[in-house]
Amino acid sequence: SQQGEEDPQALSIQEGENATMNCSYKTSINNLQWYRQNSGRGLVHLILIRSNEREKHSGRLRVTLDTSKKSSSLLITASRAADTASYFCAVIFGGTSYGKLTFGQGTILTVHP
Amino acid sequence: EPEVTQTPSHQVTQMGQEVILRCVPISNHLYFYWYRQILGQKVEFLVSFYNNEISEKSEIFDDQFSVERPDGSNFTLKIRSTKLEDSAMYFCASRVGVEGAFFGQGTRLTVV
Repeated sequence: SQQGEEDPQALSIQEGENATMNCSYKTSINNLQWYRQNSGRGLVHLILIRSNEREKHSGRLRVTLDTSKKSSSLLITASRAADTASYFCAVIFGGTSYGKLTFGQGTILTVHP
Repeated sequence: EPEVTQTPSHQVTQMGQEVILRCVPISNHLYFYWYRQILGQKVEFLVSFYNNEISEKSEIFDDQFSVERPDGSNFTLKIRSTKLEDSAMYFCASRVGVEGAFFGQGTRLTVV
């Protein structure tokens, strides 16, 4: 499949630690986005990184993109219990920036207080 | 902060019945989407809508599904004859341009 696929599937850490989630995909992308989903709730857009960018920051979030390896990572620094959620990468393939998002299976992050 | 609104939050319907899921996208957005998420599975694309027409649809979006933007503000997904396997969370999303999509809180559809 072409979809973004995350690993690990589940991650359990203590408050204050950093959490790193990875995403891989198989064909060229226009951009890659990370979303967060609290249990039973909607998806919240966290950050978008374009194919010509290598790194982006937003608050405690840092996203990297390596197009040669077709992979991205999301780092959450100094995690909090409130960061407990599922995190999904989603890619837009090809030349258009307006196409559909293709989601991975997600990483379930649990941050213990 | 602007948000995408979906109603109802939860709908229970009998198999074979028609359902309409409603969405109010953010007002200046141009691109509209429906996605679904079966419990415990990944979020799947259903359909995208731009300039008053479907721009792309997935294999899931068969003849039982239709979308409409009836009045310039609402964006609806209709399932004509629901099946048990249509039970899922349905998410509406909209975007204005090249930035990320805004998702609604979802409608949980339960077909019994």
